[in-house]
Amino acid sequence: GENVEQHPSTLSVQEGDSAVIKCTYSDSASNYFPWYKQELGKRPQLIIDIRSNVGEKKDQRIAVTLNKTAKHFSLHITETQPEDSAVYFCAASMISGGYNKLIFGAGTRLAVHP
Amino acid sequence: DAGVIQSPRHEVTEMGQEVTLRCKPISGHDYLFWYRQTMMRGLELLIYFNNNVPIDDSGMPEDRFSAKMPNASFSTLKIQPSEPRDSAVYFCASSFGGQNTEAFFGQGTRLTVV
Repeated sequence: GENVEQHPSTLSVQEGDSAVIKCTYSDSASNYFPWYKQELGKRPQLIIDIRSNVGEKKDQRIAVTLNKTAKHFSLHITETQPEDSAVYFCAASMISGGYNKLIFGAGTRLAVHP
Repeated sequence: DAGVIQSPRHEVTEMGQEVTLRCKPISGHDYLFWYRQTMMRGLELLIYFNNNVPIDDSGMPEDRFSAKMPNASFSTLKIQPSEPRDSAVYFCASSFGGQNTEAFFGQGTRLTVV
């Protein structure tokens, strides 16, 4: 069935360390993989996305990698800062009825300690 | 553009009452999505529309839930009758071009059914 698994569910790091969040998906036809950040009490907002024609994408301190063969993708945050503390969601597009729909992972609560 | 606008921000209602959540997508966007967020189930896609037409409502949990999009600038999600287990944050999101592009989320409606 349609499924996106995300690990870990919680992650605690010291400021300046790196954080890695991993997701796996079930539909081999998935071709779009966004990551959203949700701060406490706020809406999810896109921070980076990757499409299946590339294996890696970087934007300043965040990067995403995609392994289509293994059907997994990861978010990497380097030099973490307290303002990176939030819940992060991965998602994968799944084809349904000729349309793509986004299926989200369960989320990772990241805490960055000063 | 003010972004995706949802109302109300908070709703507290008694079990058995009808609840109507409202959403105004970003002007020009042709896709509109309704999501439900809970601690237990994360972000679930309930239903989405393309050009005001419902495309996939397989995520709607029960017949008590219904959604409409009478025009390109307005959508409603209705729960009748409401139950305590419907308590959640309901997000509306819109995008241009479908699920392989960035979905912009509204601020959400926090629903509490007592």
